[in-house]
Amino acid sequence: AQSVTQLDSQVPVFEEAPVELRCNYSSSVSVYLFWYVQYPNQGLQLLLKYLSGSTLVKGINGFEAEFNKSQTSFHLRKPSVHISDTAEYFCAVSEINSNSGYALNFGKGTSLLVTP
Amino acid sequence: EAGVAQSPRYKIIEKRQSVAFWCNPISGHATLYWYQQILGQGPKLLIQFQNNGVVDDSQLPKDRFSAERLKGVDSTLKIQPAKLEDSAVYLCASSRGIGTDTQYFGPGTRLTVL
Repeated sequence: AQSVTQLDSQVPVFEEAPVELRCNYSSSVSVYLFWYVQYPNQGLQLLLKYLSGSTLVKGINGFEAEFNKSQTSFHLRKPSVHISDTAEYFCAVSEINSNSGYALNFGKGTSLLVTP
Repeated sequence: EAGVAQSPRYKIIEKRQSVAFWCNPISGHATLYWYQQILGQGPKLLIQFQNNGVVDDSQLPKDRFSAERLKGVDSTLKIQPAKLEDSAVYLCASSRGIGTDTQYFGPGTRLTVL
């Protein structure tokens, strides 16, 4: 069975500082990896996804993530955050060739709070 | 392109009552998902449809939850009877197909069971 662990439940950071949100997963098969963002009272929005190829993936709003197969990690980074990046961030995994239809298995989320 | 639509946005009921949620996916999207998001947790898949057939309902509490997707477009999720632990946000998502296709999420329905 697969699992997704987001190591930090809350990450406070000052505006214009860099940030890293950590995500580790476990699975017995190959996976696709995703990061979603959820702004208050809104649905989830895809930030980026790793399917194959280059392990460094660039997404929207200046975010990027790096897939590390040996460490089974997919950490999200941004070199300089804005107040508007304050939101809940979810890491998700779907198993390739899964009988479950590639449904997403989400972590518990990391709350990013950006202050002036 | 219109996004995934859900209604109602908020619902308050008492335990043992029934409730239904509606979802209209993005036009042309064959796959539709219902997720349950309990406060402080990530979304959990309840059921996945491919057109009007069920792909995965292994985590759906079938004694009280039911879902249908007639004609392969709109979908409804029903809870009968509701329990206190059903208080959550119910998210609907759709994708063009499965596998690498991005899932697009609706705004959700926040259910409070008193």
